[in-house]
Amino acid sequence: EVQLVESGGGLVQPGGSLRLSCAASGFTFSNYWMSWVRQVPGKGLEWVANIKQDGSEKYYVDSVKGRFTISRDNAKNSLFLQMNSLRAEDTAMYYCARISMFGVGVYGMDVWGQGTTATVSS
Amino acid sequence: EIVLTQSPGTLSLSPGERATLSCRASQSVSSTFLAWYQQKPGQAPRLLIYGASSRATGIPDRFSGSGSGTDFTLTISRLEPEDFAVYYCQQYSGSPWTFGQGTKVEIK
Repeated sequence: EVQLVESGGGLVQPGGSLRLSCAASGFTFSNYWMSWVRQVPGKGLEWVANIKQDGSEKYYVDSVKGRFTISRDNAKNSLFLQMNSLRAEDTAMYYCARISMFGVGVYGMDVWGQGTTATVSS
Repeated sequence: EIVLTQSPGTLSLSPGERATLSCRASQSVSSTFLAWYQQKPGQAPRLLIYGASSRATGIPDRFSGSGSGTDFTLTISRLEPEDFAVYYCQQYSGSPWTFGQGTKVEIK
């Protein structure tokens, strides 16, 4: 079964750090771009970051640049999001998602985890 | 940044009715780079449509996508009870990737 399972969320004070993990199974992890997407409770979806198959390219939304780092370990089929200098507005459910290519330049996030919640509060 | 505006915010319909959801982009988006997702309460999003009009694996044919340029549409031909959910469009034409704010399809 194709699956993504996130972990590492929790309660942290403003200015603190969290490291989210996403364990992949049921597919060849190293063949896919991967993504983190977040959702504030009761609100919409916000793309956070993408990483290429070999980790050589990474992209971030402006609001997390310089604070968050996406990385991966293909040997362990794992995706990570290191979140530093956390702010109250980073409070959200964080999903990891697989990015599939359906044709030249045609993409979609076709596998999602169940999410892990990060709460930034004093 | 490409802003996606979805309308209406809420659509109140009965099972069996047709649902038409709109997604308007602040600048032209290649249809290749437009997707739709469904999200039910307490669940992760699910990919419905990619490339503006292609259904993802396992998606029933009552779901269809269309559009080009700045105007895209998701149509559900006959609503089933399990279709009542929130729907998001997403573009990946430019960075950052962005989502619309969502359209909630609720039971009338």
